[in-house]
Amino acid sequence: GQQLNQSPQSMFIQEGEDVSMNCTSSSIFNTWLWYKQDPGEGPVLLIALYKAGELTSNGRLTAQFGITRKDSFLNISASIPSDVGIYFCAGRTSANQAGTALIFGKGTTLSVSS
Amino acid sequence: KAGVTQTPRYLIKTRGQQVTLSCSPISGHRSVSWYQQTPGQGLQFLFEYFSETQRNKGNFPGRFSGRQFSNSRSEMNVSTLELGDSALYLCASSQTLNTGELFFGEGSRLTVL
Repeated sequence: GQQLNQSPQSMFIQEGEDVSMNCTSSSIFNTWLWYKQDPGEGPVLLIALYKAGELTSNGRLTAQFGITRKDSFLNISASIPSDVGIYFCAGRTSANQAGTALIFGKGTTLSVSS
Repeated sequence: KAGVTQTPRYLIKTRGQQVTLSCSPISGHRSVSWYQQTPGQGLQFLFEYFSETQRNKGNFPGRFSGRQFSNSRSEMNVSTLELGDSALYLCASSQTLNTGELFFGEGSRLTVL
């Protein structure tokens, strides 16, 4: 089935550093989303992208919908301790455009030391 | 506005038993989706309901089933439990079908012994 390759798998950074993570697929996606999951919680939507080339920010977070429609990137600037968690990319293809079924990456675990 | 509520939060079952998990979506949300989260496979789509109808189904065996009620609340059932069914089951709601913008509950953690 369709898979999303998310990298890196984990990151250990110092507070104040910038973070970049990405997601790639062999299939074309019509929607890319980024979610964050804290321990004991469900994922929370950070950013949604709907057009190829779209660049969208949410505070210190910036995400881009790749031109090829097969990739997406998430950047976090000036990281703080509360950025700790697991970040998931997710996508929807035209195959399930009529529904909300998402395909998720395996996640990037972010650790921030102060 | 109350979030997505899932019950029970934790449960332990033995192989062969069956389990029912419940989900109350955000008020006004008519679409409910279910996902299974495991360390090995990550988040995988189970099924999606809108207006009491199953609109989409993931690649899971028939032991996994669900339904949605007229008040948009949803239940999922797993019969003949296997050890591999141990997972966090997440319910998510959204206002419409045509969106990936989901609001997730905290999940029901199922352990099968």
